[in-house]
Amino acid sequence: AIQMTQSPSSLSASVGDRVTISCRASQGIRDDLGWYQQKPGKAPKLLIYAASSLHSGVPSRFSGSGYGTDFTLTINSLQPDDFATYYCLQDNTYPHTFGGGTVVEIK
Amino acid sequence: EVQLVESGGGLVKPGGSLRLSCAASGFIFSDYTFIWVRQAPGKGLEWVSSITSGSNNIYYADSVKGRFTVSRDNAKTTLYLQMSSLRAEDTALYYCTRDVYTGSRIEAFDIWGRGTLVTVSS
Repeated sequence: AIQMTQSPSSLSASVGDRVTISCRASQGIRDDLGWYQQKPGKAPKLLIYAASSLHSGVPSRFSGSGYGTDFTLTINSLQPDDFATYYCLQDNTYPHTFGGGTVVEIK
Repeated sequence: EVQLVESGGGLVKPGGSLRLSCAASGFIFSDYTFIWVRQAPGKGLEWVSSITSGSNNIYYADSVKGRFTVSRDNAKTTLYLQMSSLRAEDTALYYCTRDVYTGSRIEAFDIWGRGTLVTVSS
């Protein structure tokens, strides 16, 4: 199975900061990667699909990039509502696999 | 309103069985691929299984293969997950979600239920 390694596992940031989260695949997955946000006690929410496409209704401060094995989620000007856990998910090959998650905390 | 509602979770002894349901409404259920995702308490997300719109293609995580069976009833707009030979490590909140881009090369899971909790314990 393809392993997805997310880094960092957690980070502390302030409102207004620019935040980047990385996801590395153990083998090439083209652009078959999505990013999901999860808040405590809630279901995940789709942010980005196909590595860089913004899902409808998601604020434009979220962006994704990457191809092959290395991917990045960027949050420009972090807002209070953005403090959450973020997961990448590869959908290139079965079994699909999630990254381990990145907790974004308030500094 | 477009929604998914999971049910069927509960407390079950190791080795036992349980069937989860995911009732869909507000959209054409039969048009979409669905997946099950689980989350153990305090842990990350784990993809469990996928089933395509016509049930022609079904996939499982290695951790559940041979023990779990995914199915769907398009007439009842309901997705199922039959779980057997349950283990303590199957304890988790189980979510269902749809692939909004079913039929294309892209996959993206846009609508999620609130989850149903399965606890495996003696």
